Amino acid sequence: DGGITQSPKYLFRKEGQNVTLSCEQNLNHDAMYWYRQDPGQGLRLIYYSQIVNDFQKGDIAEGYSVSREKKESFPLTVTSAQKNPTAFYLCASSIELNTKQFFGPGTRLTVL
Amino acid sequence: AQSVTQLGSHVSVSEGALVLLRCNYSSSVPPYLFWYVQYPNQGLQLLLKYTTGATLVKGINGFEAEFKKSETSFHLTKPSAHMSDAAEYFCAVSHTGTASKLTFGTGTRLQVTL
Repeated sequence: DGGITQSPKYLFRKEGQNVTLSCEQNLNHDAMYWYRQDPGQGLRLIYYSQIVNDFQKGDIAEGYSVSREKKESFPLTVTSAQKNPTAFYLCASSIELNTKQFFGPGTRLTVL
Repeated sequence: AQSVTQLGSHVSVSEGALVLLRCNYSSSVPPYLFWYVQYPNQGLQLLLKYTTGATLVKGINGFEAEFKKSETSFHLTKPSAHMSDAAEYFCAVSHTGTASKLTFGTGTRLQVTL
């Protein structure tokens, strides 16, 4: 089955720890994205990648880092510098920029 | 710059009643417009989109939306609500040219009552 997978579905971490969220797609899409969702704020773009080995900051990149070493993978690291990391994180991909985005099921991160 | 405003963070309708979720956008260039649905603890699913052509767009699950340039609106409608329509709905805008950055509205939670 083609699609986007995010793991784990729920993630708990202690304050001050870095944590990496996984996002994998087998749709052969060039572009991938990370969004953060907070209640009442909709989705906000963290990082996006147009192609392998390239990525750009979105609107709220501070405290996050990404890599794009493989076309199918776009992991997001939430660092200890992120002041309020508890949120629902959504990964998406598209054939290329400016085309329809497909979303993964999301990861709910809770920092204790 | 582009932005999206969804009027009403919560909408409640009776089963069988008309669903109307409002979305207004601002964009300095012709927009692409989207409606997404999110069920609890799941990712987003695309309901429908407008890029060019016919301004009345039909999507999945009986939803449709009409692009009205004069009103800068893209309201989502469904003639008859079903219990399974209860979810959060997001309107989003992007445009051609630079990066494909979708700008999302804050979402509208639809409640369907018996």
